[in-house]
Amino acid sequence: AQSVTQLDSQVPVFEEAPVELRCNYSSSVSVYLFWYVQYPNQGLQLLLKYLSGSTLVKGINGFEAEFNKSQTSFHLRKPSVHISDTAEYFCAVSSGDSSYKLIFGSGTRLLVRP
Amino acid sequence: SQTIHQWPATLVQPVGSPLSLECTVEGTSNPNLYWYRQAAGRGLQLLFYSVGIGQISSEVPQNLSASRPQDRQFILSSKKLLLSDSGFYLCAWTRGLNYEQYFGPGTRLTVT
Repeated sequence: AQSVTQLDSQVPVFEEAPVELRCNYSSSVSVYLFWYVQYPNQGLQLLLKYLSGSTLVKGINGFEAEFNKSQTSFHLRKPSVHISDTAEYFCAVSSGDSSYKLIFGSGTRLLVRP
Repeated sequence: SQTIHQWPATLVQPVGSPLSLECTVEGTSNPNLYWYRQAAGRGLQLLFYSVGIGQISSEVPQNLSASRPQDRQFILSSKKLLLSDSGFYLCAWTRGLNYEQYFGPGTRLTVT
């Protein structure tokens, strides 16, 4: 069965510093991978996705992620964060079955300080 | 373009009262639909999903039920709310294929 591990529950960082949010997955089938962002009291918004092709995926708001099959990782990065990036970030992997479910990690709260 | 609506946005209900949350999708047909719950400070918990009208799969046995009376409508219900039902309820849909899900704005439920 598929699973997702987000090792960091909270990541504090200063404004304009780089950040990496870690995501590791476990799957016995080919996967699609996603990062979603959730601002307070809002639904989830897709940041980026890996379906196939280039392992470096670029998303909205200057975020990017790299799919590493050998390390089963899909870490999210941004070279310079803004206060407005403060939010909860969720990594997800496809279930691989006809339910089309996504398996979500427990989330990482990014806290950007001035 | 497709949009997803959830109603109501916020709800305060006493313990033991019934519940009905509604989710509707516009601009697509035969979507897969999902109900999630977020307890305070916690991650997403998948409650139910539906791959077609009248087809409901439950992920976690509990005090809630779901129904899909129309192709693009998904209802979450309870006959008697518990304090532990408090949380942020999210509805999502997907076309399938690449698994990308689109989320609604959510309903904040507080059971008092």
